[in-house]
Parts: sequence; structure tokens; C-alpha cells
Amino acid sequence: DSGVTQTPKHLITATGQRVTLRCSPRSGDLSVYWYQQSLDQGLQFLIQYYNGEERAKGNILERFSAQQFPDLHSELNLSSLELGDSALYFCASSPQVEAHQDTQYFGPGTRLTVL
Amino acid sequence: AQKVTQAQTEISVVEKEDVTLDCVYETRDTTYYLFWYKQPPSGELVFLIRRNSFDEQNEISGRYSWNFQKSTSSFNFTITASQVVDSAVYFCALSVLSYSGAGSYQLTFGKGTKLSVIP
Repeated sequence: DSGVTQTPKHLITATGQRVTLRCSPRSGDLSVYWYQQSLDQGLQFLIQYYNGEERAKGNILERFSAQQFPDLHSELNLSSLELGDSALYFCASSPQVEAHQDTQYFGPGTRLTVL
Repeated sequence: AQKVTQAQTEISVVEKEDVTLDCVYETRDTTYYLFWYKQPPSGELVFLIRRNSFDEQNEISGRYSWNFQKSTSSFNFTITASQVVDSAVYFCALSVLSYSGAGSYQLTFGKGTKLSVIP
């Protein structure tokens, strides 16, 4: 158990809908990262938040957005869903206090299926 | 740009055999970090090891060992006396300090190697 929690575990929805994925980081970790794992693209970095502020963006679609709240939990919002958005979405957290401490620990993932 | 190549898509071994998973990386940064993660059939990503670019010492942890060679940009992972529980997809990953967002260590993953250990 990494200490990172993600809910829900599974999500099935229809095209055009909007969903919210939730992540709670390990105790004491200030950074939260979101990754998407799909069969064709592999594991790809989407976005990072550090202590409530966006720190870096990767290959995140404009239909997707995220935020990190004062209690450090994070939510990834996916809207106008398409079939191709079906994937496993991981949240990871790290201390990011100093570089040598910055190992990312991953949650169990949320499997999103868009029908 | 960073890149990680895991040329072996799938490997099958018989239990108790040794197996080496290859990882080759590309980066222009002199400071970087290399990782291995395990993804068992249940789906979660489990952290195995982190190595920084200034530490080329090989590491052994039980049946696992890692060989880091900067000269060939490789960070290979060997499992000795493999067991059925080692069956999983193994990912090699690279992170460098990105200044695009005031300092960020994003992971660039390889495509993964699926290891099947046959009893």
C-alpha cells in the first residue's frame, strides 16, 4: 500500500459526459501528479500540482482540468468524454521538498470506461 | 526531450530462471533520476528503485539487482531465481528537473516489459 488513495476504482459512463476523479496523497506529500495509461499511448504525464498551485502540464487535453485543494487532495475533471478517453488514470504523490526525496508513489488507479 | 526505451515487449521464463529486463534512456541533462516500477495484474504501480545520475553503483535487494551504466545509457533490472509472483509489467522511467513550471520532476516512462513466469 503506497498510502495514496484514489476513488472511484472503476467508472463507467457515456460519451459526452463529465466525471471527476479524486486523489488523496500520502501524508506529508505536497505534490500530486496525474497520469493516463492507455494501450496505445502507454503511461503519460498529464499535470502536476504543488501545494495547491499548478506546477507543470504535460499532454493534457483542454477538456481535462485539475485542481488541488487546501487539504492537498486533488481532483481530475474530464468533460465531453470520448471513447478514446477510456484508460487507467493514476494519481501519484511526492514530497518534493528536495530533489533527492522526490520519488513518486502511485495510487491504485481509476479505470474509466466510456461507452 | 527525454526518452526511455524498453525493447523487450514480452518475456517468458520458467520459474527459478534468472531474467534481465533492459532499459535504455536518452537525456541531455547531466542530473537525472531513473526508476523501476512494477505493475502486477491487479493494476497498481509499485515503486521498486530510484537511482540518481551521479551514483553508478549497482544495487541488490534480495532477488532483485540493478545495473546502471552511464556509458551505455542503460539501467537494467535482473531478477534472480524468478517466481510466479514476479509476473507483472515492469516499467523503467526517467525524470529530469523541468523548469517549464518552476521546477518539476515529471516521469517519462518506457512502454513496459511484460514478464510471465511459468511454474
